[in-house]
Amino acid sequence: DTGVSQDPRHKITKRGQNVTFRCDPISEHNRLYWYRQTLGQGPEFLTYFQNEAQLEKSRLLSDRFSAERPKGSFSTLEIQRTEQGDSAMYLCASSRESGGGGETQYFGPGTRLLVL
Amino acid sequence: AQSVTQLGSHVSVSEGALVLLRCNYSSSVPPYLFWYVQYPNQGLQLLLKYTSAATLVKGINGFEAEFKKSETSFHLTKPSAHMSDAAEYFCAVSDNSGYSTLTFGKGTMLLVSP
Repeated sequence: DTGVSQDPRHKITKRGQNVTFRCDPISEHNRLYWYRQTLGQGPEFLTYFQNEAQLEKSRLLSDRFSAERPKGSFSTLEIQRTEQGDSAMYLCASSRESGGGGETQYFGPGTRLLVL
Repeated sequence: AQSVTQLGSHVSVSEGALVLLRCNYSSSVPPYLFWYVQYPNQGLQLLLKYTSAATLVKGINGFEAEFKKSETSFHLTKPSAHMSDAAEYFCAVSDNSGYSTLTFGKGTMLLVSP
C-alpha cells in the first residue's frame, strides 16, 4: 500500500484566513481519523469517519472547524477564521474496521500549520 | 474516560544500554494499548500493540512491552539502544467501544548518546 498522504505538508497563514487540509487514506481503509498535535504534547483526537459518515467529534472541534469525507475516500479539514492557537500539526490516520476495536491506525506525515 | 501517563518527558541512555520507557493507563474497560514512535517532522509509526492476547508483546526494531493489569502499566523496553532509536515515543490507549479512537500520553523523548 502507498500509505496515508496529507497535503500540504506545511501551511503558513495569517490570522483570520481560512485553510483547508486534505488527507488520502490507505485505499481499502473505511475508517479515517483527524488528530491535532501541539508542541510537547501527544496527538489529541478531533474527529472520526466511518466511510462517509462523521460519527464522532471531540469538544476540541470548535464551530470554526469542519471536516468532510464526501465519497468515503479522501477527507478535508477546514479551519475558518484561523487563530494563533490553531497553530499545530494536524495528523490524519486510517484503519480497516475489525469489529470490537483495537485495529491499527496508520498515520500520515501531518500538515504543520503556523498562524501568524 | 481513558487516560495515559508517561513518566519522564525525556530519557537519556548510552548506545548499547537498556531502554525503558514507562506508560501507565487508566481505563474502565479492558483496553487496547499501543506504542508509536515519531521521528522529527514525521507522522507516527506503530511499534507494537496489545489486544488481549499474550501479555508480552514484541514489536519492530527490537522493542517489546509487557501488559501488567495489576499495575495498569505497559512499559516499553529494548535491551540495547541504537543511535537510530532517538525519537519521541507515545503510548496510547483505546477502548472496545467500536470507534477505536486513541488517547495518547504526552510522549517521551529518547536521547541516545554514543
